[in-house]
Amino acid sequence: NAGVMQNPRHLVRRRGQEARLRCSPMKGHSHVYWYRQLPEEGLKFMVYLQKENIIDESGMPKERFSAEFPKEGPSILRIQQVVRGDSAAYFCASSPPSTSGKNEQFFGPGTRLTVL
Amino acid sequence: KQEVTQIPAALSVPEGENLVLNCSFTDSAIYNLQWFRQDPGKGLTSLLLIQSSQREQTSGRLNASLDKSSGRSTLYIAASQPGDSATYLCAAPNAGGTSYGKLTFGQGTILTVHP
Repeated sequence: NAGVMQNPRHLVRRRGQEARLRCSPMKGHSHVYWYRQLPEEGLKFMVYLQKENIIDESGMPKERFSAEFPKEGPSILRIQQVVRGDSAAYFCASSPPSTSGKNEQFFGPGTRLTVL
Repeated sequence: KQEVTQIPAALSVPEGENLVLNCSFTDSAIYNLQWFRQDPGKGLTSLLLIQSSQREQTSGRLNASLDKSSGRSTLYIAASQPGDSATYLCAAPNAGGTSYGKLTFGQGTILTVHP
């Protein structure tokens, strides 16, 4: 059973460009979470999604950031018009369905975004 | 709002020592608490998940305890090895007692085990 997969692992963008980060949850998992780790800071929650639904986006910046988890395909975190302050490691996590009674989150290797 | 604090921020020990990492959280209405390990430049590896109905959980040389009433958890590492060197993170779910949803992380304890 492959773990949580994220791509790309490293992404370099110039200011003003768009960044798209992809996350494929573990097989059988229906909950996806995105976290951000800024340099020298801790991990901060951004958004929690289930298939086709955003459940909690309280940690997401109001502008330029969006996330989706379509019925088919990976979850996408999209950052428009990137700025240098967006440079960070972005981690995706997934957990099994609520019916499983297991709510452990498993993390992917992260995407390290560098904005020039 | 859940807040998580980890003590100490850094710890350096000789190989073979037993050690304890501490985590405290402000909202005790949690379903579980999770401990992770993060190596430099890498992702997070889940070490232990303690459900609120449990008092402790063990995996190999690791033992984690949970005391909801006092808002504390400890991670005990027995017979430490240089390969244990990493940042250890404690994470508690959001306030409100939901079993699913965002995790709030502590700042971590940077552990160095020297030969």
